[in-house]
Order: sequence, then C-alpha cells, then structure tokens
Amino acid sequence: DAKTTQPPSMDCAEGRAANLPCNHSTISGNEYVYWYRQIHSQGPQYIIHGLKNNETNEMASLIITEDRKSSTLILPHATLRDTAVYYCIVRPSLSNFGNEKLTFGTGTRLTIIP
Amino acid sequence: EAQVTQNPRYLITVTGKKLTVTCSQNMNHEYMSWYRQDPGLGLRQIYYSMNVEVTDKGDVPEGYKVSRKEKRNFPLILESPSPNQTSLYFCASSLEPESAYGYTFGSGTRLTVV
Repeated sequence: DAKTTQPPSMDCAEGRAANLPCNHSTISGNEYVYWYRQIHSQGPQYIIHGLKNNETNEMASLIITEDRKSSTLILPHATLRDTAVYYCIVRPSLSNFGNEKLTFGTGTRLTIIP
Repeated sequence: EAQVTQNPRYLITVTGKKLTVTCSQNMNHEYMSWYRQDPGLGLRQIYYSMNVEVTDKGDVPEGYKVSRKEKRNFPLILESPSPNQTSLYFCASSLEPESAYGYTFGSGTRLTVV
C-alpha cells in the first residue's frame, strides 16, 4: 500500500478555510485517496474520497494534483466542532479486490482557534 | 438510524478471563472489520470479513478470534486476554469497496486487562 505523509498538527481560525495537505508520492494508478477524521476518542468518520478529479460534498472539498502525488482537504468554513485528527489514506480500488483494510497513519491534529 | 453498534463501551477484566465484544450493523453491509487503537501506533487492523463465513487476519490478529455467522454481526473474541490487549477497539463496516460513504465505525470499546 502507498504511504502518506501529513503534518502532525495545524491550527486554523474559526470561520476560515482549513487546508490540510497530504503527500502520497508513491500512489499507484488504481488507488483512491480517502479522508477520515477522529474527534477525541470517537470512531473515525468518513469525510470524502477521490481518484483523479476534485471532489466536493457537504462536509469538504478534496483537491488532487494532476500527478496525484499529493492532495488537499479543504474545510471551507471551519468551526470549533471540526477540531479533530484528520487522516489521509490511500487504498486500492476494486481491481485489487481483497482485504478492505484502511491503513491509518498518525494524521494531522487540527485545532480550530476561536 | 444507520449505525454500527459495539458493546460494551467500557470493560475492565482480569487476565485469562474470556470475553466477547459484540459488533452489529443495520446497513446490510458485506464488509466488516476490527481495529485497535493505541497511543503512537494509530489504528491497526485485527481481523476482517468480506461476507458471511468469510474472515481473514489483519495486521495484529494474535490473541483474537472472530466469527461471521450472520451478515449483521461480527463479534471479537479474546479467549485469554492479556494486559497487552488493553486498548481502544473499533468495529467498522462498509457496503462495497468504493462505497460513496466509506467505512462506518462504531463508537469504540475501551478495554482494560489487569
């Protein structure tokens, strides 16, 4: 599985956009980029995922570079409830059907400042 | 409400006393998995199941057993718990490999073995 690199921590002012980077320079063509977050010791929560194109949903936007070696998760208007650890994960697509393991790294601890 | 339910939320037990942590999902998901989370080590997969009667080892299966007799249930069994199994445990389920909603995680079970 490709590995990811994220900054260990970031701060963001409440109401501003939070931009969380992720480097996945060894990603292969059939691997998706997923983002999850974990608030305190709760179960991780799915945010968004993508393969090549930028994606947007009600929670966030995902920007994937053209070479797919990095991506950025954008929380457009961060609130205090967005304080959490954010995990960037790459995983194979259906073409590598088998274990559905999600390999979590250490993530980025995002703190929203009032 | 679509959810993954784990029980118990907290458990303190003694070394060697068999225990079972239950996991149930009401979303008709085929894929289910167990993770443990420890400080500095992140989330590590213990076992996973692709469907009823289909289970396989994850990264850290030693000391654990699972079963998948019905689609909705995926219990984690510790036949002879030891202190190094003290951890925060999460059950997760997913409909399909590229599910638009990713994995759904339970709220966690904090296990202490003394």
